[in-house]
Amino acid sequence: AQTVTQSQPEMSVQEAETVTLSCTYDTSENNYYLFWYKQPPSRQMILVIRQEAYKQQNATENRFSVNFQKAAKSFSLKISDSQLGDTAMYFCAFMTTEAGNMLTFGGGTRLMVKP
Amino acid sequence: DAMVIQNPRYQVTQFGKPVTLSCSQTLNHNVMYWYQQKSSQAPKLLFHYYDKDFNNEADTPDNFQSRRPNTSFCFLDIRSPGLGDAAMYLCATSTTNPRAKNEYNEQFFGPGTRLTVL
Repeated sequence: AQTVTQSQPEMSVQEAETVTLSCTYDTSENNYYLFWYKQPPSRQMILVIRQEAYKQQNATENRFSVNFQKAAKSFSLKISDSQLGDTAMYFCAFMTTEAGNMLTFGGGTRLMVKP
Repeated sequence: DAMVIQNPRYQVTQFGKPVTLSCSQTLNHNVMYWYQQKSSQAPKLLFHYYDKDFNNEADTPDNFQSRRPNTSFCFLDIRSPGLGDAAMYLCATSTTNPRAKNEYNEQFFGPGTRLTVL
């Protein structure tokens, strides 16, 4: 079974600064995907960024980038130039393509961006 | 815009009184999922439909049922809500067969329905 762990229940950052959210996972699979989802207060969950395990290059989407360390089973999210609209719950998630394509979520990190 | 819609956004029911939550999609996706998300916790998958094929998670209580009358709509029925069923219920959709190997399966989420049980 896969597990996803987010060790930071809450974090805060000043507007325009950079913050890194941590995520570790455990799996015996070789082919899988990792995701960061953002869930703003009272709004729907949206996909922020995706990483394929077979790709060595870290994924980047505008101000969002990941540090994927496959051997360490670590998948952190870096948010640069934080904006007030980044305030949300962030979930790290795992999906294996070898035994069913179900998402396994971490417990979430609540990020507050302060003006 | 194509999207996943959930109605109502807020639902209040009484202990033991059946309640139905609704999800519709304009994405024409063949897979629809229902998740339960309790306060400050990760979403937990209850079940999913691949077309009309219903797939229940092993630990989903019998109190939870689902119906999918057509591609666009999926319903979550809670037959006898208990206080512990108070949660946010998320609907999601995707295009691929969730049981197929080596197929990427991005899920698109609705805004959720927050259920209160009195």
